[in-house]
Amino acid sequence: DTAVSQTPKYLVTQMGNDKSIKCEQNLGHDTMYWYKQDSKKFLKIMFSYNNKELIINETVPNRFSPKSPDKAHLNLHINSLELGDSAVYFCASSQDIAGAKEQFFGPGTRLTVL
Amino acid sequence: AQSVTQLGSHVSVSEGALVLLRCNYSSSVPPYLFWYVQYPNQGLQLLLKYTSAATLVKGINGFEAEFKKSETSFHLTKPSAHMSDAAEYFCAVSEGGGGNKLTFGTGTQLKVEL
Repeated sequence: DTAVSQTPKYLVTQMGNDKSIKCEQNLGHDTMYWYKQDSKKFLKIMFSYNNKELIINETVPNRFSPKSPDKAHLNLHINSLELGDSAVYFCASSQDIAGAKEQFFGPGTRLTVL
Repeated sequence: AQSVTQLGSHVSVSEGALVLLRCNYSSSVPPYLFWYVQYPNQGLQLLLKYTSAATLVKGINGFEAEFKKSETSFHLTKPSAHMSDAAEYFCAVSEGGGGNKLTFGTGTQLKVEL
């Protein structure tokens, strides 16, 4: 009965490869997010979607392309991976885009680019 | 633009001692404020949130925080630390508009010693 799930949990790949991370929430929420946590544990928002519509695109390189096939899923595809993409990526969801709403986080995907 | 400053990247307390983690925010509008906890290799879990109701907010695991507008602060406290409180703590702010974007502080690593 996991609320926000991500796959895979670990991802190790070579520079230049393309990879995807999948996220699913079973909370019935309208809004989903992707955050990046760097090696110093700093968390920064990358994208948010509300009802499958892109709301926030936080000046992320266009090698990163989110896709929301439905409200319960928000996937992250990364092209031409670079060393600097190594990080932990967290998916989150909230009931809607109102600022007071709690965001529920997934367990994270640790991406290592060699 | 919203921002958060967490003073002290590492805090160490004895078991049973008071926990005080500091957070100051900057926001152009009345903010929504959150404290999240991250245990090793896990996602973030909400401890508590301030959404313009009571200024003293009680959360899970015995934590509480007080919103002080005059000091632009939202410090997290717990009267008596437990070994299980050892984790990374993040303060975050949302201005509400623009898609519930959370801006995080740099985090405080809490260590609890016997």
